[in-house]
Amino acid sequence: DAKTTQPPSMDCAEGRAANLPCNHSTISGNEYVYWYRQIHSQGPQYIIHGLKNNETNEMASLIITEDRKSSTLILPHATLRDTAVYYCIVTLGSARQLTFGSGTQLTVLP
Amino acid sequence: DTGVSQNPRHKITKRGQNVTFRCDPISEHNRLYWYRQTLGQGPEFLTYFQNEAQLEKSRLLSDRFSAERPKGSFSTLEIQRTEQGDSAMYLCASSASDTQYFGPGTRLTVL
Repeated sequence: DAKTTQPPSMDCAEGRAANLPCNHSTISGNEYVYWYRQIHSQGPQYIIHGLKNNETNEMASLIITEDRKSSTLILPHATLRDTAVYYCIVTLGSARQLTFGSGTQLTVLP
Repeated sequence: DTGVSQNPRHKITKRGQNVTFRCDPISEHNRLYWYRQTLGQGPEFLTYFQNEAQLEKSRLLSDRFSAERPKGSFSTLEIQRTEQGDSAMYLCASSASDTQYFGPGTRLTVL
């Protein structure tokens, strides 16, 4: 699975959009980009995933660049409860282990 | 809520004792995964089941660790002769296709 690079930490004001970047320059054509988050002392929570096209669900939007070498997770209106470590993972998907990096600690400030 | 459940949520044991954790996956999910997470690190893969078959094991899964999924439903993870280095959060996940859904984890403390 391709390796990902994320900033170690980011701050965001409550109510503003949080944009979390991820670099995955060695991604292969059939690898998906997954995002999970982990609130302190809880299990990771699935957020969203995509292959080539941008994706949106009730939690977030995922923007993947045309060359697929990077992506951005967007939380449109961050709340205090969005404070968590966000992990960007690139994987072949089905039946594969997930390889977590260090993630980005997002802190939403009041 | 019919998400992944894990029991116990917390376990404190003395070095050298055996411990067993249980994971109940989401109903109808045929794939089940175990991960371990130490403080400040992301989760690390331990092992994977498809139905009752254990198909993949990490090098992290030493001889003291054994996992089972006897009927393709719930799974157990046993650690024999625990060591202080086994202190961690043990996470279980399940999936029916591509997306893994995680349970709340079992936090193990070895004294």
